[in-house]
Amino acid sequence: AAGVIQSPRHLIKEKRETATLKCYPIPRHDTVYWYQQGPGQDPQFLISFYEKMQSDKGSIPDRFSAQQFSDYHSELNMSSLELGDSALYFCASSLGGQGARVNYGYTFGSGTRLTVV
Amino acid sequence: SQQGEEDPQALSIQEGENATMNCSYKTSINNLQWYRQNSGRGLVHLILIRSNEREKHSGRLRVTLDTSKKSSSLLITASRAADTASYFCATDTNYGGSQGNLIFGKGTKLSVKP
Repeated sequence: AAGVIQSPRHLIKEKRETATLKCYPIPRHDTVYWYQQGPGQDPQFLISFYEKMQSDKGSIPDRFSAQQFSDYHSELNMSSLELGDSALYFCASSLGGQGARVNYGYTFGSGTRLTVV
Repeated sequence: SQQGEEDPQALSIQEGENATMNCSYKTSINNLQWYRQNSGRGLVHLILIRSNEREKHSGRLRVTLDTSKKSSSLLITASRAADTASYFCATDTNYGGSQGNLIFGKGTKLSVKP
């Protein structure tokens, strides 16, 4: 079965550079969530989209932006990268609507490991 | 403030023993989920328990939920070395206008010695 696809798997950037992470949700899933997990930390919610509109916002820095496209894939754009942005970035997808999500939950991708040097 | 708190933070057991991890949370929830993560790898969904359920089983996993105490436990029976990983609980809540994002606990690092 198709899972959530994230690309790239690994990314190395220098300080002040920009990075774009991509997420392809499970087919028919219309909701995408982005999480950031620092070393030894628990995942922290960044932002989510439902039907191409931002639905919720968490601890996402102003230097980061994201969007969901017409094919439901999502991109997380990160600018002016800092050393502290080094982390695992996860994308998750679910069916929209609270009923589906409450009963069936989410599927996470394998993550993108971003290293800022 | 942290929604999910897990204990213990670290647990070391011998193969064949049972492992119990606990999670507490602060707000009302729609469901509570447990995830497994091998070092530096992806999050693997283990089990979801809805707020109106009290217990759920999946293979060697048993999850309980006590909404009156705002707590959950994950029991892994007959543990194997391959169960070595970090285990996170995560809550799906509408608290504060949340639209379904998960709030994770700090995780329990389980080490199963062969």
